[in-house]
Amino acid sequence: AQRVTQPEKLLSVFKGAPVELKCNYSYSGSPELFWYVQYSRQRLQLLLRHISRESIKGFTADLNKGETSFHLKKPFAQEEDSAMYYCALSSYNFNKFYFGSGTKLNVKP
Amino acid sequence: DTGVSQDPRHKITKRGQNVTFRCDPISEHNRLYWYRQTLGQGPEFLTYFQNEAQLEKSRLLSDRFSAERPKGSFSTLEIQRTEQGDSAMYLCASSFPDKTNYGYTFGSGTRLTVV
Repeated sequence: AQRVTQPEKLLSVFKGAPVELKCNYSYSGSPELFWYVQYSRQRLQLLLRHISRESIKGFTADLNKGETSFHLKKPFAQEEDSAMYYCALSSYNFNKFYFGSGTKLNVKP
Repeated sequence: DTGVSQDPRHKITKRGQNVTFRCDPISEHNRLYWYRQTLGQGPEFLTYFQNEAQLEKSRLLSDRFSAERPKGSFSTLEIQRTEQGDSAMYLCASSFPDKTNYGYTFGSGTRLTVV
């Protein structure tokens, strides 16, 4: 069965500290993985996708098929990074996403 | 076209009443999706349209739920005989036909409260 697990509901770090938001998945096929972000009072928006191997706002994520993980990382957190982050797994035809329950990142000054 | 629009933003209804939500996707997006999000959870897939055809429905979409996209543009989601368990944020999203691997564009959602 397809499942996305984000073990941390809340992650608090100080500004300038490294951040790692954990995501583990289970999927019977070849996964397509994404991170979505929701800032306060804003809509859910795509942050990055593993297939493009991009870095957005200093965030990166590496797909580790052996550990079935797709952790989101940033070397130096900023206060404006405070938001809700959702890891998502797409079906092979991108017809639907399976979302994790989200991690709230709080970056303290 | 500034994105995916959902109406209303908030809806409070009494248990047993019917409610209907509307979603206007980005005009060139031919795929439209409905998700439901309850407190403390990520969005859960409800259903998906490609143009006017409803191609997939989740088991979450009981027979009290019906979604339509009559002309392949806007979509409606109707919940009949609402129950308190239907209280949630209902999210609509759309995607470009050949770039679905770029993810969705989400609307702001309709928050339903059943009292």
